[in-house]
Amino acid sequence: EDQVTQSPEALRLQEGESSSLNCSYTVSGLRGLFWYRQDPGKGPEFLFTLYSAGEEKEKERLKATLTKKESFLHITAPKPEDSATYLCAVLCAMEYGNKLVFGAGTILRVKS
Amino acid sequence: SQTIHQWPATLVQPVGSPLSLECTVEGTSNPNLYWYRQAAGRGLQLLFYSVGIGQISSEVPQNLSASRPQDRQFILSSKKLLLSDSGFYLCAWTRDTNYGYTFGSGTRLTVV
Repeated sequence: EDQVTQSPEALRLQEGESSSLNCSYTVSGLRGLFWYRQDPGKGPEFLFTLYSAGEEKEKERLKATLTKKESFLHITAPKPEDSATYLCAVLCAMEYGNKLVFGAGTILRVKS
Repeated sequence: SQTIHQWPATLVQPVGSPLSLECTVEGTSNPNLYWYRQAAGRGLQLLFYSVGIGQISSEVPQNLSASRPQDRQFILSSKKLLLSDSGFYLCAWTRDTNYGYTFGSGTRLTVV
């Protein structure tokens, strides 16, 4: 069964304190790994897609990396506006096309 | 550009009442459409997906059903709501199932 596990469940950082979020996965064949940001009461917003081990993507203070079994979302010098839930998802095969299987997310709080 | 609309934003319904949530996509044709549910502290769970008009697939047995009366319209329904149907419902679409999804703004359903 395809599974995605995110850690930690919650993370509190001081403004400027860099850290990383982890996403580990077990899938029969990875077709892609996605990171989303979700603000309270809103739908997830797309951040990155990674397709192969060793791939890296960057956007402002965020950098996503991928290995054969896990992905990291590195946050450098975070600001309070980076506070959100970060969701990881893997693209898995199903009967018609593919589907995204999500982890439970990491709730990030950045204090000024 | 493509946009996805989902309504209502919030809904409070009594147990045993019917449900109808609507999702429409603009600016594209023949989108792949998805309904997800997000329970507190848990990841997004795929409920239904559709790769074309008249084609609906269910991922988990439940009290809900889905329909696609038009190419860009996806409806989530229930004849009689249960307390366990409470949650945050998200509609999503993609043009190609090899890529990630774009999510709507979600509907917060509370069954009382």
